Amino acid sequence: VQLVESGGELVQPGGSLRLSCVASGFVLSRFWMHWVRQAPGKEPVWVSRISSDGRNIIYADSVKGRFTISRDDATNTLHLQMNSLRAEDTAMYYCARDVTVSGPSTFDHWGRGTLVTVSS
Amino acid sequence: DIQMTQSPSTLSASVGDRVTITCRAAQSISRWLAWYQQKPGKAPNLLIYEASILQAGVPSRFSGSGSGTEFTLTISSLQPDDFATYYCQHYNGYWTFGQGTKVEVK
Repeated sequence: VQLVESGGELVQPGGSLRLSCVASGFVLSRFWMHWVRQAPGKEPVWVSRISSDGRNIIYADSVKGRFTISRDDATNTLHLQMNSLRAEDTAMYYCARDVTVSGPSTFDHWGRGTLVTVSS
Repeated sequence: DIQMTQSPSTLSASVGDRVTITCRAAQSISRWLAWYQQKPGKAPNLLIYEASILQAGVPSRFSGSGSGTEFTLTISSLQPDDFATYYCQHYNGYWTFGQGTKVEVK
């Protein structure tokens, strides 16, 4: 199992970025997937989750209305479109695979992350 | 969201020590708790889920216990590779992490 994120960079406040996460070693379409972020020196914070069929999507309140999660199972890729970026969005962004069992589940594999810096 | 509080924030220990980290939930979370290990510059790594189930490939010196509001992660004999930061995480349709416990060399 491998997850490789990309797309992070320095962006000005109010700007946009699109993060990608390419999955390999497993069938992406069978798994629910997440984005999690971690500001320097802080604990991880969950951002968004998408179901295996793409129909069930939820967001943390802090990004609702600004971020959009999506998936392209044909290319084994998870995306996070981030708009109206703020300084407090500065963090390492990880994609993570959900254990995807019946009932509550957590993350069993994470990517290495891509760094998003929002600053003027 | 349910707040998760870990203690201590920093723990100084030596190789071979028995180490215990505590995580408290602001209200009962049954057994929906995971523990992660994170090393500098790396992503978190799942150690334990459902409070006490060891993730595949994780050494047996790691164990978890608890239910309701109080949980513990125990390392029975600390190894050099175990110096890291540990996070508890509640999961039940949303996912909340504790603030972390850094295990450092005494």
